Amino acid sequence: SYELTQPPSVSVSPGQTARITCSGDALPNQYVYWYQQKPGQAPVLVIYKDRERPSGIPERFSGSSSGTTVTLTISGVQAEDEADYYCQSADRSGTYVVFGGGTKLTAL
Amino acid sequence: QVHLVESGGGVVQPGGSLRLSCAASGFTFITYGMHWVRQAPGKGLEWVAFMRYDGNNEYYADSVKGRFTISRDKSKNTLYLQMNSLRAEDTAVYYCAKDSTIFGVLTGGVDVWGKGTTVTVSS
Repeated sequence: SYELTQPPSVSVSPGQTARITCSGDALPNQYVYWYQQKPGQAPVLVIYKDRERPSGIPERFSGSSSGTTVTLTISGVQAEDEADYYCQSADRSGTYVVFGGGTKLTAL
Repeated sequence: QVHLVESGGGVVQPGGSLRLSCAASGFTFITYGMHWVRQAPGKGLEWVAFMRYDGNNEYYADSVKGRFTISRDKSKNTLYLQMNSLRAEDTAVYYCAKDSTIFGVLTGGVDVWGKGTTVTVSS
């Protein structure tokens, strides 16, 4: 079955830049979506179609892609950005949706 | 404002059945595909099922195929998930979620999530 691979955790100091990667063989052919989830809350979309930012999401959130890896970048991390982040995409044939395992972002 | 409200969760014995509902408002229901996504306690997100905007195609995760059925009622702006032959590993918060792409066909992401309803499978 198709899988998306994320690092389990990323730690940065407040004000620094955090980069969370998501890898998958089909990513050159399928868009990636990124979600932020805080404890006890539903996920929130922070990046869609690899690099687009929904209205209301701070400009410090950005996305990029290169081959089989996409990256969520959070510039100038703030304490409120501490959360779990999930990437999501589809398999090459477009018949399954897949989530990455999630990355816990800690602002030390 | 787009709003999704799930209901129907509860405690059920292994092998039992449950039907979840999701009331949608604030958007044109018949133009967007809809997903169910679940999250087991302390675990990550797991996609469960998707139904196309027109109700003509359904897609399921392997873990629920043959046991769960997604459906939608356009007259009630409501999405459903019929869950049969429930197992302990189906215990999770179940989220109803709106696809981000108008007239999309599964590969779009989710732009709106409900707050979720909890399903516990236990004897």
